[in-house]
Amino acid sequence: AQTVTQSQPEMSVQEAETVTLSCTYDTSENNYYLFWYKQPPSRQMILVIRQEAYKQQNATENRFSVNFQKAAKSFSLKISDSQLGDTAMYFCAFPGGSQGNLIFGKGTKLSVKP
Amino acid sequence: DTEVTQTPKHLVMGMTNKKSLKCEQHMGHRAMYWYKQKAKKPPELMFVYSYEKLSINESVPSRFSPECPNSSLLNLHLHALQPEDSALYLCASSQALTGFDETQYFGPGTRLLVL
Repeated sequence: AQTVTQSQPEMSVQEAETVTLSCTYDTSENNYYLFWYKQPPSRQMILVIRQEAYKQQNATENRFSVNFQKAAKSFSLKISDSQLGDTAMYFCAFPGGSQGNLIFGKGTKLSVKP
Repeated sequence: DTEVTQTPKHLVMGMTNKKSLKCEQHMGHRAMYWYKQKAKKPPELMFVYSYEKLSINESVPSRFSPECPNSSLLNLHLHALQPEDSALYLCASSQALTGFDETQYFGPGTRLLVL
């Protein structure tokens, strides 16, 4: 079975500092996408960043970047210059379902402290 | 435009009521999804429609009945729910169900409380 694992249930970071959220996954596929979603207390799931597995270059979206290690099946999210609005649940996701649908990790609750 | 809309935002219903949740997208996406999410848990997939046909039903009880009237709309009909069905119901859409680029865009959700 294809799985997604987020090993950090909760994390906290001071405003303006950098934090890294980890995610590992298991698949036998060679070409796929990986995703990080953010869900603030307002509850809407928002796409933060995505990575194409066949691209060696790590994806970057403003303060958000990933460290993608394909051989290690690792896909961590780095948030630089953390802001109070980054407080949210973060879910790593991968299209590993039976028909290619997304499966999600259990999530990491990130708190940014002033 | 990457907007998915859902109505209502909140819903309170008794166990004998019939209600419906609605979801709409105008991105030309051909795959639409219903998820159920409990507090502090990841979304659990319920149903997937691909090209307006039901592709995935994750063994959801029959008191939940999905409907896809057209490529832009997705409904979830609720009947005789149980208190444990209280949750956040999320709708999402993606270009297609290909197993490759499954970038899903989510709506704001409907918070359901069953009394």
